[in-house]
Amino acid sequence: SQQGEEDPQALSIQEGENATMNCSYKTSINNLQWYRQNSGRGLVHLILIRSNEREKHSGRLRVTLDTSKKSSSLLITASRAADTASYFCATDAITDKLIFGTGTRLQVFP
Amino acid sequence: EPEVTQTPSHQVTQMGQEVILRCVPISNHLYFYWYRQILGQKVEFLVSFYNNEISEKSEIFDDQFSVERPDGSNFTLKIRSTKLEDSAMYFCASDGLAGGRGETQYFGPGTRLLVL
Repeated sequence: SQQGEEDPQALSIQEGENATMNCSYKTSINNLQWYRQNSGRGLVHLILIRSNEREKHSGRLRVTLDTSKKSSSLLITASRAADTASYFCATDAITDKLIFGTGTRLQVFP
Repeated sequence: EPEVTQTPSHQVTQMGQEVILRCVPISNHLYFYWYRQILGQKVEFLVSFYNNEISEKSEIFDDQFSVERPDGSNFTLKIRSTKLEDSAMYFCASDGLAGGRGETQYFGPGTRLLVL
């Protein structure tokens, strides 16, 4: 498997529910970031968590990082229809390139 | 809020033709990147650029690709002879101020390239 894989690949929930997406990676990292992409559009940066951090919050977003398991999770609380998008994790290791995961397609039904 | 811009938003070209994708990174950023995303697949790193030279490139970035910062604001990606498999969304990103590379790369809206 490749660096940065999300699961589930697709997630469908009702408005108001929480959505949890997971990301696994293979190598040591400096930080891990989550990006959002609306269908066919650009990448919007959501949140960054450093390798020495375990949890971070931003509004309705909560990110955790477990470097021992090389995994991260993104929780969106009280989801809205407007949260419908694809969500990608991206890791930043020794070099300056970002390595993206395969993404989770989130569908939030009103 | 400053943002990365890209032109054109869509480009259709014939196989074998040259294309130039343009990007205006965030002002004062010093590190520039190109990524691509083939439809339905993950975003892949192509190249990073700093101090007027390539700092890293991927296997995808072969001799058909080149990058340039022709002036103080633009950053371009050129594909000399396009192939069908070059069809993808191409994203430009930038980060980093004078003190060093930033942690967050800011992405443009992308250019969707279709090679026929």
